[in-house]
Amino acid sequence: GAGVSQSPRYKVAKRGQDVALRCDPISGHVSLFWYQQALGQGPEFLTYFQNEAQLDKSGLPSDRFFAERPEGSVSTLKIQRTQQEDSAVYLCASSPNRHRGSSGANVLTFGAGSRLTVL
Amino acid sequence: GQNIDQPTEMTATEGAIVQINCTYQTSGFNGLFWYQQHAGEAPTFLSYNVLDGLEEKGRFSSFLSRSKGYSYLLLKELQMKDSASYLCAVRGGFQKLVFGTGTRLLVSP
Repeated sequence: GAGVSQSPRYKVAKRGQDVALRCDPISGHVSLFWYQQALGQGPEFLTYFQNEAQLDKSGLPSDRFFAERPEGSVSTLKIQRTQQEDSAVYLCASSPNRHRGSSGANVLTFGAGSRLTVL
Repeated sequence: GQNIDQPTEMTATEGAIVQINCTYQTSGFNGLFWYQQHAGEAPTFLSYNVLDGLEEKGRFSSFLSRSKGYSYLLLKELQMKDSASYLCAVRGGFQKLVFGTGTRLLVSP
């Protein structure tokens, strides 16, 4: 597609519910990132995929967070047993090339995000 | 670890020039990025510096000094639509982008 598409744009969940957030990256982009952005803060790294391989998940805050990209294109971020502190905007970004060993800007293009509110 | 500092908020007048500073301490360095983010929207790429010096792109310029761990974004001929958050981000040794908290710029008439 022309840009990175995320759905849903807005999600309200009751505490304890499971949620799934979807990301459609730019077609052909190898790398895909998930970030969490709290109100008034910068994006915080969650996890990174190169094609279908999850190469870095060091930013996932707990084992309630799980991400996958089974066919190397669409990715899903799943949050189990949501808590109020999970309320944030979840941003997905993609870039053309693999990051390890690549040179150049390899700019990340972001989606508009999914705003999660946990009541 | 990585630490990126930038001012929380700045104000400026339409038509003026504003400089947003960013200092960083990282375990590795593979480029510094500036993004613009309007409220409720996606961050959009503005500039990339990997070597010392100034990169100019229209009304926006970005400067980098790797020895000082310092960058700035310069916005000229400010317009009302420039009111947004400006995010400084560093690509460290592990390739992912690490962002600062962002600088919210308010441009007044």
